[in-house]
Parts: sequence; C-alpha cells; structure tokens
Amino acid sequence: NAGVTQTPKFQVLKTGQSMTLQCAQDMNHEYMSWYRQDPGMGLRLIHYSVGAGITDQGEVPNGYNVSRSTTEDFPLRLLSAAPSQTSVYFCASSSPGGAVYGYTFGSGTRLTVV
Amino acid sequence: AQSVTQLGSHVSVSEGALVLLRCNYSSSVPPYLFWYVQYPNQGLQLLLKYTSAATLVKGINGFEAEFKKSETSFHLTKPSAHMSDAAEYFCAVKQPYAGNMLTFGGGTRLMVKP
Repeated sequence: NAGVTQTPKFQVLKTGQSMTLQCAQDMNHEYMSWYRQDPGMGLRLIHYSVGAGITDQGEVPNGYNVSRSTTEDFPLRLLSAAPSQTSVYFCASSSPGGAVYGYTFGSGTRLTVV
Repeated sequence: AQSVTQLGSHVSVSEGALVLLRCNYSSSVPPYLFWYVQYPNQGLQLLLKYTSAATLVKGINGFEAEFKKSETSFHLTKPSAHMSDAAEYFCAVKQPYAGNMLTFGGGTRLMVKP
C-alpha cells in the first residue's frame, strides 16, 4: 500500500548510543518531515526537507541530524541518545500543495532511552 | 509566530452525546487549519481541513468544524458520539506562503462512555 513507512516500530537505547530511524515514502512527495510526540505537547517539528539535498531545522532540532539523498527516504539520526529523547517519532510527507491535500503520516517509532 | 491552543487535554462524553473539541489559533493572517485523529498505537489521520473555501467543513466519520475568523477558532463537533470515536485529536495550522510546516496543538483525548 502506498504511504509512509517507518522502521523500527519500537526501540530501546542506552544513553550515549546512536541510531537511525528510517522513513520511506512511495508517493513521490517532495516535502518530508520528522515530528516528536510527547504527552500534552502535541507534535513538535524536528527537521524537514523540501526536496532531495535540502533540509532545514524545525522547532526542536538539537540532538538530531537528517539528510535527504533521495526523494523517497528521509532518515533521522540520533548521534548520542539522551533520556530526554524518549518519545514517539513520526515521519510525514506531502506534495508541494500539502495544504490542500493534507499530510500523510507514518505509524510512528516508539523510542525509549534508558 | 503562530500557535495553537486546544482547551481540555481530556474530554469525556456519553455515547450518543454531542462531541465538542475546542481549538483556537493565533496567526497574523487566516491560516490553513486541520484536524487530525490518532487511534491508539497508530499514526495521525486527516479528519478535515479548512483552506479558505467554505467556513463549515465536513470531514470523515461525521465530524465537522467551523472556521470563525472573529474568534480565531476552529472547533470540532460531532452530533452523536460513538464508542469508536475514542481517540486523541489534534488541531494544526499552517501559514499560507510559509512552506509546508504544521504547528500542532497539544491534543485532546476523547473518551466515550457507554
């Protein structure tokens, strides 16, 4: 089925470890973004990309890196995990007219840092 | 900067009762407005959107929302709640001419009592 695929669904990390959260979409969407969801705070934008080779920071970028080498993939890297990064992470994509068509979200990655 | 406020982090209604979830935004210009629903352990699904056409917007599953510029509000309603409506609901805004970034409210968890 077409959509946004996130892997893994669950992950436990130790403080200081690194990992990459994967996000792939097959809708040829130019815009992709990463959000983190924390109780009572809604979703906050971490990083986004408006096309291959172009990325920018969102509201809470510290501790995270991204790159966009292809239209389909937008991985999120945690360089040195901290307990404050325990959260649910969502990847979303949209066409350039995302305001009209809405955004497609992945099913999320639940990350726990101990 | 734009912001979104959802009044009430938890709302409880009886099955068959009116559902009213409140959303207020602050923005220098009328933004695009969205309501998303998140069922347990799933990603976000678009319920409905306002994109400067009709102020009363109808969405999926019998939900609707009315854009009121004078009140800077976009409240979500449903005449009769079903048990299957139990979920978390997020209001989001996007500024026109400001890329594809969404700003989310903190979310409202709807509980439906039998």
